[in-house]
Amino acid sequence: QLQLQESGPGLVKPSETLSLTCTVSGGSISSSSYYWGWIRQPPGKGLEWIGSIYYSGSTYYNPSLKSRVTISVDTSKNQFSLKLSSVTAADTAVYYCARFGGAEGIFGVKWFDPWGQGTLVTVSS
Amino acid sequence: QSVLTQPPSVSEAPRQRVTISCSGSSSNIGNNAVNWYQQLPGKAPKLLIYYDDLLPSGVSDRFSGSKSGTSASLAISGLQSEDEADYYCAAWDDSLNGYVFGTGTKVTVL
Repeated sequence: QLQLQESGPGLVKPSETLSLTCTVSGGSISSSSYYWGWIRQPPGKGLEWIGSIYYSGSTYYNPSLKSRVTISVDTSKNQFSLKLSSVTAADTAVYYCARFGGAEGIFGVKWFDPWGQGTLVTVSS
Repeated sequence: QSVLTQPPSVSEAPRQRVTISCSGSSSNIGNNAVNWYQQLPGKAPKLLIYYDDLLPSGVSDRFSGSKSGTSASLAISGLQSEDEADYYCAAWDDSLNGYVFGTGTKVTVL
């Protein structure tokens, strides 16, 4: 059974870079059928897609975050990572990682499943 | 600001049926698959419906999805207290070249 687990600092100072890692177990991140993604949820608010990555390194980012986001993959560790630079209090959120699967090569027919449990990152001095 | 609009909340008595609407446009719902996620209080979201109307293994058939044009709906029949949760629609948006979530709907069982 595929499982995903987020890890990283729970507190980040304003203007610094938020860094999180998602470890995938029970399956290979190098599967040709799947992308992998990050989603966040500010306290009491809705879900926001951050971006997605293929094992080859191909990425898609939310246009509203693109200038600050970098998602990378480490196939040797079966992990993918998120970096969000120049953070502010507005970046305080629960960050989830998830597998982005569905029809191979067709983004219009993809969905997130399964999800990690999420990790709360607070931006504060 | 989300491009997929849902009602903030819906409520109904146990054993009744509720529907949640999701309004989008031709660049998302009108041209791509709609997915629904259930988020129980304090938990991570879970895939509830995929590709407009398909149920993942293990999801109760009390849940059903439909789509018409640029709108989609999630129906919950035989409402139970365990269905109290937030529900989000989502789809790929060709204009944004990204995945968009709906504004979310809180379901309350009276």
